[in-house]
Amino acid sequence: AQTVTQSQPEMSVQEAETVTLSCTYDTSESNYYLFWYKQPPSRQMILVIRQEAYKQQNATENRFSVNFQKAAKSFSLKISDSQLGDTAMYFCAFAQNTGTASKLTFGTGTRLQVTL
Amino acid sequence: DSGVTQTPKHLITATGQRVTLRCSPRSGDLSVYWYQQSLDQGLQFLIQYYNGEERAKGNILERFSAQQFPDLHSELNLSSLELGDSALYFCASSSPPGGGASEQFFGPGTRLTVL
Repeated sequence: AQTVTQSQPEMSVQEAETVTLSCTYDTSESNYYLFWYKQPPSRQMILVIRQEAYKQQNATENRFSVNFQKAAKSFSLKISDSQLGDTAMYFCAFAQNTGTASKLTFGTGTRLQVTL
Repeated sequence: DSGVTQTPKHLITATGQRVTLRCSPRSGDLSVYWYQQSLDQGLQFLIQYYNGEERAKGNILERFSAQQFPDLHSELNLSSLELGDSALYFCASSSPPGGGASEQFFGPGTRLTVL
């Protein structure tokens, strides 16, 4: 079974600064995908960024980028130029690529507060 | 707006009762997933359906059941409710049957409170 660990329950960052959220995972599979989801106070789950395990290049989406270290099974999220709207719970998630089903296994989340 | 709809938004009921949560996937999406978010268990996968057939099962209790209908909407039935079933229940949909690359689009969730 796969597990996802987020060791930072809460973090705070000032507006316009950069923050990095940590995530580690455990799997014996070689073909999988990793995701970061954002859950603002509205409770809506929003995909932030996605990384395919077979790709060495780290994914980027505007101000969001990841540092994917496959050997270390680490998948951190960097948020640059933090904005007040980035305040949310952030969940790291794993999905095994079985071809028929792709349930998400989530970490426990990191609550990020962006302050003025 | 993800395109996934869930009804009702809020549900308050008593222990021992039965409720049905409904989900309509995005247009064209054949896969539907159900997740439970509770304070003590976090976000957990319950079950997945693809084009009417069950594809994967997670930590779903025997008191819970689900189905996907020919029009692709899905229902999650929760029976003999207990206080611990209080949670936010999410439905998500995606296009292909599987493959982790397919993004799952989440609905707004149904907040279930069992008193």
